[in-house]
Amino acid sequence: DAMVIQNPRYQVTQFGKPVTLSCSQTLNHNVMYWYQQKSSQAPKLLFHYYDKDFNNEADTPDNFQSRRPNTSFCFLDIRSPGLGDAAMYLCATATTQAPREAFFGQGTRLTVV
Amino acid sequence: AQSVTQLDSHVSVSEGTPVLLRCNYSSSYSPSLFWYVQHPNKGLQLLLKYTSAATLVKGINGFEAEFKKSETSFHLTKPSAHMSDAAEYFCVVIIRNTNAGKSTFGDGTTLTVKP
Repeated sequence: DAMVIQNPRYQVTQFGKPVTLSCSQTLNHNVMYWYQQKSSQAPKLLFHYYDKDFNNEADTPDNFQSRRPNTSFCFLDIRSPGLGDAAMYLCATATTQAPREAFFGQGTRLTVV
Repeated sequence: AQSVTQLDSHVSVSEGTPVLLRCNYSSSYSPSLFWYVQHPNKGLQLLLKYTSAATLVKGINGFEAEFKKSETSFHLTKPSAHMSDAAEYFCVVIIRNTNAGKSTFGDGTTLTVKP
């Protein structure tokens, strides 16, 4: 029944070693989001796709990249993870029709060692 | 521009007593409003949503919220707290007339339920 699936649930990576987080959806939603959530904070939007159109938030570091090869899949690439990138990463999807609620995955907890 | 203010960062109640989590918003356009709950190390689960239909919205697990335009508020309530309600709660606003409908989150309210 899971509609937005994130893999893996937990990821440990080494400082500076590239890492990729994945998200897939069965909802056929045309909008996909990536959020970063640090401890005791609200999720912070990194970027989103509207279909194939990529939209980067102004304060998202260049270290973060994303790919969306098709409607169902979206990837978050961290080119050189630093200790400050340790966080929960949340993927979400939405349609463009009201009410545009976001459907969230379970998240990937990233640890940088 | 849109913004969300959750007025309490922490709320503590006893099991069986009412819950009130407060949220105020500002928006230049007609908003959609949501409450999400997040348990530790989990994603966000939708509790309820307001979309310009009924102003009193019922959600899952006995939660409800009332949209008050005059007060720009969307407070979340539950008549009787359960231990399993202990979690982080986020109030979210989405502006409906933009293509991507980006969400604006409040800072969250941590709900503690005492036995």
